Amino acid sequence: DSGVTQTPKHLITATGQRVTLRCSPRSGDLSVYWYQQSLDQGLQFLIHYYNGEERAKGNILERFSAQQFPDLHSELNLSSLELGDSALYFCASSLLSSGDTQYFGPGTRLTVL
Amino acid sequence: EDKVVQSPLSLVVHEGDTVTLNCSYEVTNFRSLLWYKQEKKAPTFLFMLTSSGIEKKSGRLSSILDKKELFSILNITATQTGDSAVYLCAPSPALHGGATNKLIFGTGTLLAVQP
Repeated sequence: DSGVTQTPKHLITATGQRVTLRCSPRSGDLSVYWYQQSLDQGLQFLIHYYNGEERAKGNILERFSAQQFPDLHSELNLSSLELGDSALYFCASSLLSSGDTQYFGPGTRLTVL
Repeated sequence: EDKVVQSPLSLVVHEGDTVTLNCSYEVTNFRSLLWYKQEKKAPTFLFMLTSSGIEKKSGRLSSILDKKELFSILNITATQTGDSAVYLCAPSPALHGGATNKLIFGTGTLLAVQP
């Protein structure tokens, strides 16, 4: 158990809908990273927050947005869902903004029907 | 464009065998390289390598980095069925003057250890 928690574990929804994925970092960690893992793309970096501030964006679609709250938990919002958004969404946390180990949560499996 | 290639894509061995997994990378502003093991769900951390030529060990696993030739290897000796997993290599570039970093994952090597 890495100490990173994610809810929900599993989410099934229809195309066009909007969902929110939640992540709580390890106690004391200030950074939260979001990654998407699909069968054809592997693990892809989406976005990084450090202490409430967005630090880097990767291959994140405009339909997706994220934020990190004062208590350091983070939410990833996915809207206008398409079939291709079906994937495992992981969050990872680390203490620093850069250069240290990222510890992954158990993931949220999103299925879009 | 940043690139990570892992080989082999998959391998099947018997318990007790030794395996070597390879990772080559091309990453701008390279800072470190991490290895993860992914079984059913979340990747679990194995090693972080930042310096060339210094072997990191944890039990039967070890790893080393060559920053000149841009590759890393992960060795597993005396394999056990519990080692069966996907092993992911992830170089991490420093971005924005080091204010942030991300992991760039390879496609992984699927290891199956048979009893």
